[in-house]
Amino acid sequence: QSVLTQPPSVSAAPGQKVTISCSGSSSNIGNNYVSWYQQLPGTAPKLLIYENNKRPSGIPDRFSGSKSGTSATLGITGLQTGDEADYYCGAWDNSLSGRGVFGGGTKLTVL
Amino acid sequence: QVQLQESGPGLVKPSETLSLTCTVSGGSISGYYWSWIRQSPGKGLEWIGYIFYQGSTNYNPSVRSRVTMSVATSKSQFSLKLSSVTAADTAVYYCARGDYYDSSAFEPWGQGTLVTVSS
Repeated sequence: QSVLTQPPSVSAAPGQKVTISCSGSSSNIGNNYVSWYQQLPGTAPKLLIYENNKRPSGIPDRFSGSKSGTSATLGITGLQTGDEADYYCGAWDNSLSGRGVFGGGTKLTVL
Repeated sequence: QVQLQESGPGLVKPSETLSLTCTVSGGSISGYYWSWIRQSPGKGLEWIGYIFYQGSTNYNPSVRSRVTMSVATSKSQFSLKLSSVTAADTAVYYCARGDYYDSSAFEPWGQGTLVTVSS
């Protein structure tokens, strides 16, 4: 059971937009930054979004992040078949002396 | 750019100690928080803990009683030891870098190494 809650799967057609939600609590998302990761099959997770809405160098602006209260959202526009992957949200959790926590992951299918 | 590489045995017997090392290349180990994160087969990500380059640590309560992390700055390496392993510890283990103690933004990551716990 993951601390952060994500939908198991989402799907959309190429060229369309999709959003992935991440729900937490005041001990994590509510008071800390949210990060998002993309994990292609057989590879390590790759940082897509940090500090709620910032993109590391090299990440296209098709990827965006937002946060409101104890929830966060990853948006992907102009979907491509290469975007098919698992997406994870992450945050710091202030409970239990502090720890990193993740969502259970969302499988994106580009139809 | 900075690259991380995990190394260690791919098979560990139940009740024994899992030992992994992460080697940092292309950049300094100083100034950062170095984490271990694992992913059980077909499952999500679990943060195990971090070690600051100066040696302070913070472990996930789920494994705190069994985990020890250390750092060797002269070798640009940091290590993970997880004792009394069971089949539930079978996972791909990743090492990753964080910029500050309460950061969830880990980058870069190592490629990961699969550790199987089995007799």
